[in-house]
Amino acid sequence: DTAVSQTPKYLVTQMGNDKSIKCEQNLGHDTMYWYKQDSKKFLKIMFSYNNKELIINETVPNRFSPKSPDKAHLNLHINSLELGDSAVYFCASSQFGTGVYEQYFGPGTRLTVT
Amino acid sequence: AQTVTQSQPEMSVQEAETVTLSCTYDTSESDYYLFWYKQPPSRQMILVIRQEAYKQQNATENRFSVNFQKAAKSFSLKISDSQLGDAAMYFCAYKGAGTASKLTFGTGTRLQVTL
Repeated sequence: DTAVSQTPKYLVTQMGNDKSIKCEQNLGHDTMYWYKQDSKKFLKIMFSYNNKELIINETVPNRFSPKSPDKAHLNLHINSLELGDSAVYFCASSQFGTGVYEQYFGPGTRLTVT
Repeated sequence: AQTVTQSQPEMSVQEAETVTLSCTYDTSESDYYLFWYKQPPSRQMILVIRQEAYKQQNATENRFSVNFQKAAKSFSLKISDSQLGDAAMYFCAYKGAGTASKLTFGTGTRLQVTL
């Protein structure tokens, strides 16, 4: 059973298009995250939701919009894709308040913008 | 802002030997958590080990152990009896207490394991 899943795993699209990446976790966690890993492997948080509320919103272009329909899902919509958006995007989840703060990551979505 | 520094971009170890990956961090918080994540070529991020700052005892998970020096703000990872499957990128990460505290990663160390 996959704990944190993302779809699609690979996404190739042209500049200017709009695309979405979906994330689901079956761990019962209350907090979910989106990270971007660039070509140099640097991982940086983009957004975090706790109980469907946005709690972390890093400096990312407003073309990126997260949406959390419920605690188990956090989707990422990207408008007007640019070449610089090419990266691997990771979803993660954790449970706040248990004293155990590790985050569990999905398999990543490799986005290639041509 | 918290920063995490991994000064070794690449390391190499022979199979069955021991290797230590370095990590230092900067914070003004007293309560926080430290992690090592492994990213093999499959790109899956796998939690290797975690350390709570309030615990003086170093965390251990099978062949993986840490040397946590709170005063020096150092958090190194020791891999004993290295195996070919240990070859991966290793990321050190810091998280403060609190829901809104973000997980900050270092730049990673690529570990090669040779026969």
